[in-house]
Amino acid sequence: NAGVTQTPKFRILKIGQSMTLQCTQDMNHNYMYWYRQDPGMGLKLIYYSVGAGITDKGEVPNGYNVSRSTTEDFPLRLELAAPSQTSVYFCASSPGQGFGKLFFGSGTQLSVL
Amino acid sequence: GEDVEQSLFLSVREGDSSVINCTYTDSSSTYLYWYKQEPGAGLQLLTYIFSNMDMKQDQRLTVLLNKKDKHLSLRIADTQTGDSAIYFCAESGAGSYQLTFGKGTKLSVIP
Repeated sequence: NAGVTQTPKFRILKIGQSMTLQCTQDMNHNYMYWYRQDPGMGLKLIYYSVGAGITDKGEVPNGYNVSRSTTEDFPLRLELAAPSQTSVYFCASSPGQGFGKLFFGSGTQLSVL
Repeated sequence: GEDVEQSLFLSVREGDSSVINCTYTDSSSTYLYWYKQEPGAGLQLLTYIFSNMDMKQDQRLTVLLNKKDKHLSLRIADTQTGDSAIYFCAESGAGSYQLTFGKGTKLSVIP
């Protein structure tokens, strides 16, 4: 039972480069989320999706884009990477009812230099 | 915006009880959550409490909610070295898809 799988685990980008963080879940959850975690800080919501084809902005969406073409996958796209995007990124999913019962992936540590 | 505050560090001896505290500002909070993060891992839901409850017990974990003071606590009985982790308090408002997380309390258990 894989749960929520994120790739890659680590990545170093140069300023201005782009990349996609992959996230897939095998629990048939409708709700999926992207969070970022900065050192000593709580998690900030970047984007979320309530089902295939539906996405919406969270608290800190600038510099990111998402898509949700299937129930399983919710990739996060970084365009023109900036040092401020250095962070640990977590993908999560939930079954819907009881929104806060999130299942998290193990995270992607991203450094932008 | 809404805020969730936690102390950043707590150190206890193995076998003692740990109490991690949290305060929040959102008076419309519907659910309040405790998540655990072990090093290098994602967050894992430990327990949660609905806002109309005062207390919830789950094996070694006891959650207390004082809605009047907007104060939430997590008590871990007989704390073990495996409980060493960062514990996040989080809340969600009615019908909201967004959780507001605290900054996390790092619990260190001394053998």
